[in-house]
Amino acid sequence: AQSVTQPDIHITVSEGASLELRCNYSYGATPYLFWYVQSPGQGLQLLLKYFSGDTLVQGIKGFEAEFKRSQSSFNLRKPSVHWSDAAEYFCAVGGGGTSYGKLTFGQGTILTVHP
Amino acid sequence: ETGVTQTPRHLVMGMTNKKSLKCEQHLGHNAMYWYKQSAKKPLELMFVYSLEERVENNSVPSRFSPECPNSSHLFLHLHTLQPEDSALYLCASSQDPPPRGTNSPLHFGNGTRLTVT
Repeated sequence: AQSVTQPDIHITVSEGASLELRCNYSYGATPYLFWYVQSPGQGLQLLLKYFSGDTLVQGIKGFEAEFKRSQSSFNLRKPSVHWSDAAEYFCAVGGGGTSYGKLTFGQGTILTVHP
Repeated sequence: ETGVTQTPRHLVMGMTNKKSLKCEQHLGHNAMYWYKQSAKKPLELMFVYSLEERVENNSVPSRFSPECPNSSHLFLHLHTLQPEDSALYLCASSQDPPPRGTNSPLHFGNGTRLTVT
């Protein structure tokens, strides 16, 4: 069975500081990995995705994530955080083929940004 | 504009009421989903429709009844709910099948915040 672990429930950083949100997954085949962001009262917005190829993927809003197969990780990073990045972040894993859309999500990491 | 519109945004209902949640997608996708988001729990997949046929039903209680009349519209009919059903209900859509070697990302609506009293 596939699973996703986000070890940090809540992270606080200062504006302008760097950010890394951790994600570890368990999946029996080649994983398809995603990061979503959810602002209060909103749905989930796709930040970036990894299917294959270059293990460092770029997303929107200046975010990037690195796929490390040996560590079963897909950590999200941003070099300089903005106050508008405060939100909840979800890592998700899925498979290709008939597993379309059937994503398994982590519990989320709430990001607080101090001015 | 997310491309996936959900109504209503908020709903309060008693345990004996019958109500429906509506979702509409404007992205040309042909697969639609209902997810449940409860406090302090991961998102739970409830139902999947592909080409208007239900292809997934994750042991959801029968008090939740989905309907997909066409590839652009999805409903979730609710009746005799319990207080523990209070949650954010998210609709999503994607393209099925995805391009070879990829997985079509989910596009989410803003959700309906449901409170059962």
